[in-house]
Amino acid sequence: AQSVTQLGSHVSVSEGALVLLRCNYSSSVPPYLFWYVQYPNQGLQLLLKYTSAATLVKGINGFEAEFKKSETSFHLTKPSAHMSDAAEYFCAVSDSSYKLIFGSGTRLLVRP
Amino acid sequence: GAVVSQHPSRVICKSGTSVKIECRSLDFQATTMFWYRQFPKQSLMLMATSNEGSKATYEQGVEKDKFLINHASLTLSTLTVTSAHPEDSSFYICSASSQGGTEAFFGQGTRLTVV
Repeated sequence: AQSVTQLGSHVSVSEGALVLLRCNYSSSVPPYLFWYVQYPNQGLQLLLKYTSAATLVKGINGFEAEFKKSETSFHLTKPSAHMSDAAEYFCAVSDSSYKLIFGSGTRLLVRP
Repeated sequence: GAVVSQHPSRVICKSGTSVKIECRSLDFQATTMFWYRQFPKQSLMLMATSNEGSKATYEQGVEKDKFLINHASLTLSTLTVTSAHPEDSSFYICSASSQGGTEAFFGQGTRLTVV
C-alpha cells in the first residue's frame, strides 16, 4: 500500500526566505510523486512531478523537489518565497494507474 | 496541459434532493476518471475510480448507491449525490487521465452545500 506523510500542517516563512515543505512516502513499487498547490475554493494545480527520470525535478513558479530513494523523501523547495505562494500544498504518490494518494497537506503562510 | 472542466462550481440544494456534478475532459480522451472529496481544511480522499464504459470502483466506506458515478463517454463522467444530507456538504473534485499519459488532470472542484 502507498502512503504519504507531510510533516507540518502549517509552515510560516518571511517573504524572500527559503521555502521547504516536507514529504515522505511509502510505496512497494517505484513511485510516481507529485506536488500540487491549491488556492481557496479551487482545484489542484500541478507544481511538478517525478516519474523516474531525473531525481531533481524543476516545476513551475520556481519550485523544485528532489527525489531521495534512500530517505523515501520528496521535499519541495523554493529559494525565495513570494506573497503569492501562500496556499495549501499537497504531496501525492501514485502507481502507474494515476490513482493518487494524497498527504494531509501543508498550509504555507508568507509574512511580509 | 490538458483541460478538465467541472460543473457546477458551486451548488446549494435542499436536504433529500439529488445533485449531479459533471466532469469533462475538453481536449483529450479520458479513459479513467477519479472522484475525490475534500472536507474543510483536510486532504483529498479518493471516492471512486471510473473507466469509460464500465462500472465505477468505489473505495472502502463510500456508498455506491448514494454516490452514483457514470462514465458513459471518453470525455464525460458524472457524480450524482442522491438524497443529499447536510453531512454530504463538501468540496468534490474530479481528475481525468488518458491511456498512456503520466498524470491525471484536475477539475476546478464543486462546492456542495446541503441545507
